[in-house]
Amino acid sequence: DTEVTQTPKHLVMGMTNKKSLKCEQHMGHRAMYWYKQKAKKPPELMFVYSYEKLSINESVPSRFSPECPNSSLLNLHLHALQPEDSALYLCASSHLQAPEYNEQFFGPGTRLTVL
Amino acid sequence: GQQVMQIPQYQHVQEGEDFTTYCNSSTTLSNIQWYKQRPGGHPVFLIQLVKSGEVKKQKRLTFQFGEAKKNSSLHITATQTTDVGTYFCAGPDTGFQKLVFGTGTRLLVSP
Repeated sequence: DTEVTQTPKHLVMGMTNKKSLKCEQHMGHRAMYWYKQKAKKPPELMFVYSYEKLSINESVPSRFSPECPNSSLLNLHLHALQPEDSALYLCASSHLQAPEYNEQFFGPGTRLTVL
Repeated sequence: GQQVMQIPQYQHVQEGEDFTTYCNSSTTLSNIQWYKQRPGGHPVFLIQLVKSGEVKKQKRLTFQFGEAKKNSSLHITATQTTDVGTYFCAGPDTGFQKLVFGTGTRLLVSP
């Protein structure tokens, strides 16, 4: 299984709502990532989890809260978002092997609209 | 921080024409990866280059890593409509957990 799955595919939420994005992989990868992608822009790293521990937080606002319940699952909890947070949210996973960097497998993404 | 720029930003070609995108990093890279994102899709890994001056081919696609390991290129011979999408190069930053994506080149191929 070389697939990363994400749910939901689309999400519309108000600025006072609380919602969660989910990501799952069964490739045995020990690194998982959240990216935000705006239209016609490259993916922008938000968080990295290594061995289920948060290893990188790219100064993301606290209204985004990541969680890694186990080595296969990654969640992104959303609360009090702003309209400018509307974007495609991509989850990715990879092996952790130095020194060569490892290819990342991306999920199909969740297209989020904040009203 | 590390910056990775790509040119051109956008290219529109007729089917059968060749296409090249260039990637330039502000810092020396230990390796470089290339991804393709189809319209409405997600990035898909194409290849990784590690050695200085390395050249790799995948059918009609040729990837090159510069001698100084600060630049790379992707050349597509005889484009097809299936080549449509945005091509991103990406290089590692501080350790090997963070990948910095280039600005991307959007390719449109007309039949």
